[in-house]
Order: sequence, then structure tokens, then C-alpha cells
Amino acid sequence: EAGVTQSPRYAVLQEGQAVSFWCDPISGHDTLYWYQQPRDQGPQLLVYFRDEAVIDNSQLPSDRFSAVRPKGTNSTLKIQSAKQGDTATYLCASSPDRVEQYFGPGTRLTVL
Amino acid sequence: GDSVTQTEGLVTLTEGLPVMLNCTYQSTYSPFLFWYVQHLNEAPKLLLKSFTDNKRPEHQGFHATLHKSSSSFHLQKSSAQLSDSALYYCAANNNNAPRFGAGTKLSVKP
Repeated sequence: EAGVTQSPRYAVLQEGQAVSFWCDPISGHDTLYWYQQPRDQGPQLLVYFRDEAVIDNSQLPSDRFSAVRPKGTNSTLKIQSAKQGDTATYLCASSPDRVEQYFGPGTRLTVL
Repeated sequence: GDSVTQTEGLVTLTEGLPVMLNCTYQSTYSPFLFWYVQHLNEAPKLLLKSFTDNKRPEHQGFHATLHKSSSSFHLQKSSAQLSDSALYYCAANNNNAPRFGAGTKLSVKP
């Protein structure tokens, strides 16, 4: 069974640039999560979906971050105007039962 | 809201000694508790999950017991190995938004 895949694996930006991260969850998993993991910290939930619906985006900085999952499968997380404080690894995870999560390899973002 | 506390940021051990990493949680409900392990430059991987029937989960020599009375789910292993060096995260999920602790870095030395 294929795991959660993410792309790109690495991104380096200047402040003010935009970037998109893509996630392909495990087939059949209806729940998909996006986390931000700053260096030396634990994963912090940004947003999660059940199928195509956003269930909780209360921790997503709405002025610059957006996330979609239009067909209830793949998902895209976008940062409109990146700041140095956005430097982190962005993890995608999927779940078949909204309890156990399977993580992708992450995208390591550096904003200069 | 729910929260997870891991009190130790760094635990340094000599190979062969027992491991215990602390985890306590606060939740309105009775969440599932998890331990994830994250090796350098890798994604977190599930290590253990609590059972609803009070069984003690075990994996790769690690075990953890959910104590609802003290809201704890400490991770233990009888004998540390060099390959156990990694970040360990405790997480709680009550079928809603999962919460992770800050993590404990375990460093096992020869």
C-alpha cells in the first residue's frame, strides 16, 4: 500500500513569494490533516478535512494561508506571501478513522 | 481545549538502561493516546496507540499504559538501544482535532 506522498520535498523562497504544497493521502482515507512543524517543535495542526469539507481551520492564518481538497482526495496548501516566520516543515497526514494518522515525508520550507 | 504535556525536553541515557518518557493530557472526553517517533529528517511514525479495553500496547520493546485516573500515558522500555535515539511525541485524539505534545528528545549513548 502506498503511503502519503507530498511534493515538493524542499522549497526556498524570498519573503513575499507564494508557494504551494501538494499532498496525496492513502487511498480510502477520508480525513486529511495539514501540520506546521517549526524546527525543534512538535507538529501544530493548521487545518483538517473530512472528504472535501473543512472541519477545523481555526489555526490557519487566513490572511495568507489557504487549503483546499476539492474532490476529497488530494489537497493543496498555499502560502500567498511568505514570511520568515513560516520557515518550518509542513506535514500532511491522512486517517481512515479520524484517530490513527499516517504522515507523509513533509515539505521543508525555508523563507529567506 | 485538549492539551498534551511532555515535561522533559531532553532525556539522555546510557545504552541498556530503562527508558521512561512522561506524557499527561487534559481533555473533556476520553481521548485515544498515541506515541509517535520521529528520526532525524523523517516524518513522525506511529509507535503505540492506547486501547479502549485497558490492554497495554507494545511495539519494538516499548510499552505504555493509559491511566485515566492520572491522565497519563508514559512511554517505557526496559533497556535502551542506540537506535532508539529520536524525538518522541505524545498525542491525544478524541475523534476531533489531534493535539501533540512539545516532544522529548531521547539521546542514547554507548
